[in-house]
Amino acid sequence: DIVMTQSPDSVAVSLGDRATIKCKSSQTVLDTSNKKNYLVWYQQKPGQPPKLIISWASTRESGVPDRLSGSGSGTDFTLTISSLQAEDVAVYYCQQYYRSPPTFGQGTKIEVK
Amino acid sequence: QVQLAESGPGLVRPSETLSLICNVSGASFSQYYWSWVRQPAGKGLEWIGRVFVSGSTDLNPSLKSRVSMSVDTSKTQISLRLNSVTAADTAVYFCARALYYGSGTSYYFDYWGQGLPVTVSS
Repeated sequence: DIVMTQSPDSVAVSLGDRATIKCKSSQTVLDTSNKKNYLVWYQQKPGQPPKLIISWASTRESGVPDRLSGSGSGTDFTLTISSLQAEDVAVYYCQQYYRSPPTFGQGTKIEVK
Repeated sequence: QVQLAESGPGLVRPSETLSLICNVSGASFSQYYWSWVRQPAGKGLEWIGRVFVSGSTDLNPSLKSRVSMSVDTSKTQISLRLNSVTAADTAVYFCARALYYGSGTSYYFDYWGQGLPVTVSS
Protein backbone atom coordinates (compact mmCIF):
# COMPACT_ATOMS: atom_id res chain seq x y z
CA ASP A 1 0.00 0.00 0.00
CA ILE A 2 1.07 3.61 -0.54
CA VAL A 3 1.71 5.22 2.83
CA MET A 4 0.71 8.87 3.22
CA THR A 5 2.45 10.89 5.92
CA GLN A 6 1.35 14.37 6.90
CA SER A 7 3.21 16.99 8.88
CA PRO A 8 2.71 18.46 11.32
CA ASP A 9 0.08 16.53 13.27
CA SER A 10 -1.31 19.83 14.51
CA VAL A 11 -0.55 23.51 14.14
CA ALA A 12 -1.86 26.69 15.74
CA VAL A 13 -2.03 29.72 13.47
CA SER A 14 -3.21 33.26 14.11
CA LEU A 15 -6.24 34.48 12.20
CA GLY A 16 -5.09 36.11 8.98
CA ASP A 17 -1.79 34.23 8.91
CA ARG A 18 -0.66 31.54 6.50
CA ALA A 19 -1.08 27.86 7.35
CA THR A 20 0.87 25.14 5.56
CA ILE A 21 0.38 21.36 5.69
CA LYS A 22 2.72 18.84 4.10
CA CYS A 23 1.80 15.44 2.72
CA LYS A 24 4.35 12.89 1.56
CA SER A 25 3.62 9.62 -0.22
CA SER A 26 5.82 6.52 0.05
CA GLN A 27 5.86 6.25 -3.74
CA THR A 28 4.98 8.55 -6.58
CA VAL A 29 1.35 9.32 -7.30
CA LEU A 30 2.21 11.08 -10.56
CA ASP A 31 1.11 9.40 -13.76
CA THR A 32 3.72 10.55 -16.25
CA SER A 33 1.54 9.56 -19.21
CA ASN A 34 -1.03 12.24 -18.41
CA LYS A 35 1.03 14.40 -16.01
CA LYS A 36 -1.63 14.11 -13.33
CA ASN A 37 -1.06 13.70 -9.63
CA TYR A 38 -3.64 11.41 -8.06
CA LEU A 39 -3.91 13.30 -4.77
CA VAL A 40 -6.86 14.93 -3.00
CA TRP A 41 -7.35 16.97 0.14
CA TYR A 42 -10.31 16.81 2.50
CA GLN A 43 -11.42 19.13 5.28
CA GLN A 44 -13.22 17.60 8.26
CA LYS A 45 -14.92 19.61 10.99
CA PRO A 46 -16.07 18.02 14.27
CA GLY A 47 -19.10 15.81 13.90
CA GLN A 48 -19.09 16.12 10.11
CA PRO A 49 -17.95 13.90 7.27
CA PRO A 50 -14.86 14.84 5.29
CA LYS A 51 -15.44 17.45 2.61
CA LEU A 52 -13.53 17.22 -0.65
CA ILE A 53 -11.70 20.50 -1.20
CA ILE A 54 -8.95 19.79 -3.74
CA SER A 55 -8.52 17.08 -6.39
CA TRP A 56 -5.65 16.31 -8.76
CA ALA A 57 -3.34 17.88 -6.18
CA SER A 58 -4.24 21.45 -7.10
CA THR A 59 -7.78 21.70 -8.52
CA ARG A 60 -10.06 23.49 -6.10
CA GLU A 61 -13.60 22.08 -5.86
CA SER A 62 -16.56 24.31 -6.61
CA GLY A 63 -17.33 26.70 -3.76
CA VAL A 64 -13.99 26.27 -2.00
CA PRO A 65 -12.47 29.66 -1.14
CA ASP A 66 -9.40 30.58 -3.15
CA ARG A 67 -7.39 31.12 0.03
CA LEU A 68 -7.11 27.29 0.12
CA SER A 69 -4.69 25.96 -2.47
CA GLY A 70 -2.84 22.75 -3.23
CA SER A 71 0.52 22.23 -4.84
CA GLY A 72 3.24 19.65 -5.33
CA SER A 73 4.01 16.70 -7.53
CA GLY A 74 5.34 13.16 -7.36
CA THR A 75 5.66 12.38 -3.67
CA ASP A 76 5.54 15.78 -1.99
CA PHE A 77 2.44 17.91 -1.66
CA THR A 78 1.33 21.00 0.22
CA LEU A 79 -2.00 22.46 1.28
CA THR A 80 -1.81 26.17 1.96
CA ILE A 81 -4.34 28.45 3.59
CA SER A 82 -3.15 31.92 2.67
CA SER A 83 -5.03 33.81 5.34
CA LEU A 84 -6.57 31.67 8.05
CA GLN A 85 -10.23 32.33 8.84
CA ALA A 86 -12.15 30.96 11.81
CA GLU A 87 -14.16 28.66 9.53
CA ASP A 88 -10.95 26.97 8.36
CA VAL A 89 -10.40 25.37 11.76
CA ALA A 90 -10.61 21.66 10.99
CA VAL A 91 -8.62 18.50 10.44
CA TYR A 92 -7.22 18.16 6.94
CA TYR A 93 -6.45 14.84 5.25
CA CYS A 94 -4.59 14.03 2.07
CA GLN A 95 -5.44 10.86 0.15
CA GLN A 96 -3.86 9.17 -2.84
CA TYR A 97 -5.94 7.48 -5.52
CA TYR A 98 -3.11 6.35 -7.78
CA ARG A 99 -3.08 2.77 -6.58
CA SER A 100 -5.58 0.62 -4.74
CA PRO A 101 -6.29 0.63 -1.89
CA PRO A 102 -6.81 4.37 -1.60
CA THR A 103 -4.92 5.54 1.47
CA PHE A 104 -5.14 8.59 3.68
CA GLY A 105 -2.70 10.63 5.68
CA GLN A 106 -3.15 10.61 9.44
CA GLY A 107 -4.60 14.12 9.42
CA THR A 108 -3.41 17.59 10.44
CA LYS A 109 -5.40 19.64 12.90
CA ILE A 110 -5.43 23.39 12.33
CA GLU A 111 -6.31 25.52 15.33
CA VAL A 112 -6.38 29.24 16.04
CA LYS A 113 -3.48 30.61 18.08
CA GLN B 1 -28.15 17.27 -4.77
CA VAL B 2 -26.58 13.93 -3.95
CA GLN B 3 -27.51 12.64 -0.50
CA LEU B 4 -26.32 9.56 1.31
CA ALA B 5 -27.65 8.27 4.62
CA GLU B 6 -26.27 5.38 6.64
CA SER B 7 -28.44 3.24 8.86
CA GLY B 8 -28.02 0.19 11.05
CA PRO B 9 -27.41 -0.90 14.62
CA GLY B 10 -25.17 1.30 16.74
CA LEU B 11 -24.06 -1.63 18.90
CA VAL B 12 -22.75 -4.99 17.75
CA ARG B 13 -21.52 -7.82 19.96
CA PRO B 14 -17.98 -9.14 19.50
CA SER B 15 -17.69 -12.02 17.00
CA GLU B 16 -21.02 -11.09 15.40
CA THR B 17 -21.72 -9.44 12.05
CA LEU B 18 -22.01 -5.72 11.49
CA SER B 19 -24.63 -4.91 8.83
CA LEU B 20 -25.17 -1.41 7.52
CA ILE B 21 -27.21 0.14 4.73
CA CYS B 22 -26.64 3.35 2.82
CA ASN B 23 -29.54 5.02 1.03
CA VAL B 24 -28.55 7.13 -1.95
CA SER B 25 -30.70 9.84 -3.52
CA GLY B 26 -30.30 12.62 -6.04
CA ALA B 27 -27.61 10.86 -8.05
CA SER B 28 -27.31 8.69 -11.12
CA PHE B 29 -26.97 5.64 -8.91
CA SER B 30 -26.08 3.22 -11.68
CA GLN B 31 -23.30 5.39 -13.11
CA TYR B 32 -21.06 5.57 -10.07
CA TYR B 33 -19.07 3.46 -7.68
CA TRP B 34 -20.13 3.57 -4.02
CA SER B 35 -17.78 3.08 -1.11
CA TRP B 36 -17.59 2.54 2.61
CA VAL B 37 -14.97 4.34 4.69
CA ARG B 38 -14.56 4.12 8.46
CA GLN B 39 -13.00 6.31 11.11
CA PRO B 40 -12.25 5.22 14.69
CA ALA B 41 -12.92 7.97 17.22
CA GLY B 42 -10.19 10.59 17.10
CA LYS B 43 -8.31 8.75 14.38
CA GLY B 44 -7.85 8.71 10.63
CA LEU B 45 -9.80 7.32 7.70
CA GLU B 46 -9.71 3.77 6.35
CA TRP B 47 -11.22 2.70 3.04
CA ILE B 48 -13.22 -0.52 3.37
CA GLY B 49 -14.21 -1.12 -0.24
CA ARG B 50 -16.50 -0.18 -3.11
CA VAL B 51 -19.39 -1.69 -4.99
CA PHE B 52 -20.85 -1.03 -8.43
CA VAL B 53 -24.41 -1.52 -9.65
CA SER B 54 -23.32 -4.71 -11.40
CA GLY B 55 -22.48 -6.15 -7.99
CA SER B 56 -18.76 -6.08 -8.60
CA THR B 57 -16.67 -5.17 -5.59
CA ASP B 58 -13.16 -4.00 -4.85
CA LEU B 59 -12.24 -4.53 -1.21
CA ASN B 60 -9.38 -3.41 0.95
CA PRO B 61 -7.08 -6.43 1.31
CA SER B 62 -6.74 -5.68 5.02
CA LEU B 63 -10.44 -6.42 5.53
CA LYS B 64 -11.28 -8.53 2.50
CA SER B 65 -11.65 -11.82 4.36
CA ARG B 66 -14.39 -10.37 6.59
CA VAL B 67 -16.20 -7.92 4.28
CA SER B 68 -18.96 -8.23 1.75
CA MET B 69 -20.86 -5.52 -0.09
CA SER B 70 -23.97 -5.57 -2.19
CA VAL B 71 -26.27 -3.22 -4.03
CA ASP B 72 -30.04 -2.94 -4.43
CA THR B 73 -30.65 -0.83 -7.50
CA SER B 74 -34.44 -0.77 -7.03
CA LYS B 75 -33.97 0.93 -3.67
CA THR B 76 -30.75 2.78 -4.62
CA GLN B 77 -29.10 1.24 -1.58
CA ILE B 78 -25.73 -0.26 -0.88
CA SER B 79 -24.99 -2.52 2.03
CA LEU B 80 -21.97 -3.53 4.05
CA ARG B 81 -21.43 -6.68 6.07
CA LEU B 82 -18.39 -7.09 8.29
CA ASN B 83 -18.22 -10.37 10.14
CA SER B 84 -16.34 -11.56 13.21
CA VAL B 85 -16.13 -8.05 14.61
CA THR B 86 -13.89 -7.04 17.50
CA ALA B 87 -13.43 -3.84 19.47
CA ALA B 88 -10.99 -2.71 16.76
CA ASP B 89 -13.97 -2.38 14.41
CA THR B 90 -15.54 0.32 16.60
CA ALA B 91 -15.72 3.40 14.39
CA VAL B 92 -17.91 5.85 12.52
CA TYR B 93 -18.86 4.23 9.24
CA PHE B 94 -19.38 6.48 6.21
CA CYS B 95 -20.75 5.69 2.80
CA ALA B 96 -19.48 7.85 -0.03
CA ARG B 97 -19.61 8.24 -3.78
CA ALA B 98 -16.36 7.06 -5.30
CA LEU B 99 -14.87 8.64 -8.41
CA TYR B 100 -12.63 6.49 -10.58
CA TYR B 101 -10.40 7.56 -13.42
CA GLY B 102 -9.08 4.49 -15.09
CA SER B 103 -7.66 1.03 -14.97
CA GLY B 104 -4.96 0.56 -12.41
CA THR B 105 -5.90 3.63 -10.43
CA SER B 106 -8.06 4.04 -7.38
CA TYR B 107 -10.87 6.18 -6.01
CA TYR B 108 -11.56 9.42 -4.24
CA PHE B 109 -14.79 10.52 -2.62
CA ASP B 110 -16.85 13.57 -3.47
CA TYR B 111 -20.11 13.03 -1.57
CA TRP B 112 -20.35 11.52 1.91
CA GLY B 113 -23.06 10.50 4.30
CA GLN B 114 -23.11 11.96 7.80
CA GLY B 115 -21.69 8.74 9.20
CA LEU B 116 -23.01 6.16 11.64
CA PRO B 117 -21.15 5.43 14.87
CA VAL B 118 -20.90 1.73 15.58
CA THR B 119 -19.60 0.29 18.83
CA VAL B 120 -18.48 -3.30 19.22
CA SER B 121 -19.03 -4.33 22.81
CA SER B 122 -20.67 -7.04 24.85
